[in-house]
Amino acid sequence: DVQMTQSPSSLSASVGDRVTITCRASQGISNYLAWYQQKPGKVPKLLIFAASTLQSGVPSRFSGSGSGTDFTLTISSLQPEDVATYYCQKYNSAPWMFGQGTKVEIK
Amino acid sequence: EVQLMESGGGLAQPGGSLRLSCAASGFTFNSYAMNWVRQAPGKGLEWVSVSSGDGTVTYYADSVRGRLTISRDNSKNTLYLQMNSLRAEDTAVYFCAKAGGSYRGAFDIWGQGTMVTVSS
Repeated sequence: DVQMTQSPSSLSASVGDRVTITCRASQGISNYLAWYQQKPGKVPKLLIFAASTLQSGVPSRFSGSGSGTDFTLTISSLQPEDVATYYCQKYNSAPWMFGQGTKVEIK
Repeated sequence: EVQLMESGGGLAQPGGSLRLSCAASGFTFNSYAMNWVRQAPGKGLEWVSVSSGDGTVTYYADSVRGRLTISRDNSKNTLYLQMNSLRAEDTAVYFCAKAGGSYRGAFDIWGQGTMVTVSS
């Protein structure tokens, strides 16, 4: 099975900082990659699908890039409401594996 | 409004069974693949199983294959997860999630989740 590895596992940044999270697939998955945000005690929310397409209603400070095996999620200007754990997920073929998550905190 | 509502969680003994349900509304249920995803306390997301829109194609995570069975009743707009031979490691919040396509896709709608606790 294809494994999804995120880095870092956690980060602390200041409000207004640019934040980048990386997700690497152990085999190529084209652009079948999604990013989710899960705030503490809440349900996961889809942010980005097809590696770079912003889900409707998601703020434009979120962006995604990559194809094949290497992907990134970028928050251009970190806001207090962005405190959450972020997960990548592949969906090219089953099993639809998630990364282990990246916890984002405010410094 | 597009909505998913899980039910059926609770306490089960090791080796026991539970049946989870996920009632869908606000979209054409039989047009979309539906998934179960679980999250153990304090842990990350784990995909469990998927059923294609027409129910003819199903896949499972290795950790649950042979013990958990996904099904759906498109006439009732409801997804199910039959959980047998439960183990302590099955303890988690179980979410149902709608995919963006009839077979695969990012999970664009999630239910609130139902807690399953396996303990003697």
